[in-house]
Amino acid sequence: AQSVTQLDSQVPVFEEAPVELRCNYSSSVSVYLFWYVQYPNQGLQLLLKYLSGSTLVKGINGFEAEFNKSQTSFHLRKPSVHISDTAEYFCAVSDPGTGTASKLTFGTGTRLQVTL
Amino acid sequence: DAGVTQSPTHLIKTRGQQVTLRCSPKSGHDTVSWYQQALGQGPQFIFQYYEEEERQRGNFPDRFSGHQFPNYSSELNVNALLLGDSALYLCASSLSDTQYFGPGTRLTVL
Repeated sequence: AQSVTQLDSQVPVFEEAPVELRCNYSSSVSVYLFWYVQYPNQGLQLLLKYLSGSTLVKGINGFEAEFNKSQTSFHLRKPSVHISDTAEYFCAVSDPGTGTASKLTFGTGTRLQVTL
Repeated sequence: DAGVTQSPTHLIKTRGQQVTLRCSPKSGHDTVSWYQQALGQGPQFIFQYYEEEERQRGNFPDRFSGHQFPNYSSELNVNALLLGDSALYLCASSLSDTQYFGPGTRLTVL
């Protein structure tokens, strides 16, 4: 069975500072990895994904993540955050096997709080 | 291009009642997945429909059932509602490897 651990439930950061949101996963097979963002009272928006190839993945809104197979990690980073980045961030893993999107297993989320 | 749409936006029911939630996938997507997100938690996979059949199922009781129509839209039905069924219900559609989510339906059970 797959699982995802998001080590920080909340991350406070000042505007224009860099941020890293940590994600570790557990799986006995190869994986696809995703980061989604959820703004208050909204659904999930895809930030970025790792399927294969380059381990450094760039996403929307200036976010990037690095897949580290040996560490089983997929940490999300942004060099300079903005107030509008305040939201809940979810890391998720799925099984690549079937040719269509398999079920996603999510972490418990990290609340990014950006202040002036 | 319209994204994933869900209806209704909000719903209030009482214990023991039944509810139906609806989802229209993104244009061209043939697979629909449903997730339950309790307050302060990550989404939990309920089930997935492809070609009008339930393809995968998570650890949810039989009170949760679904359907997919020939136009790929989908319904989630929950019978005998419990207080613990109060949550945001998210629908996601996909064509290949990535799921795209709708805005969700907020279900409150009193």
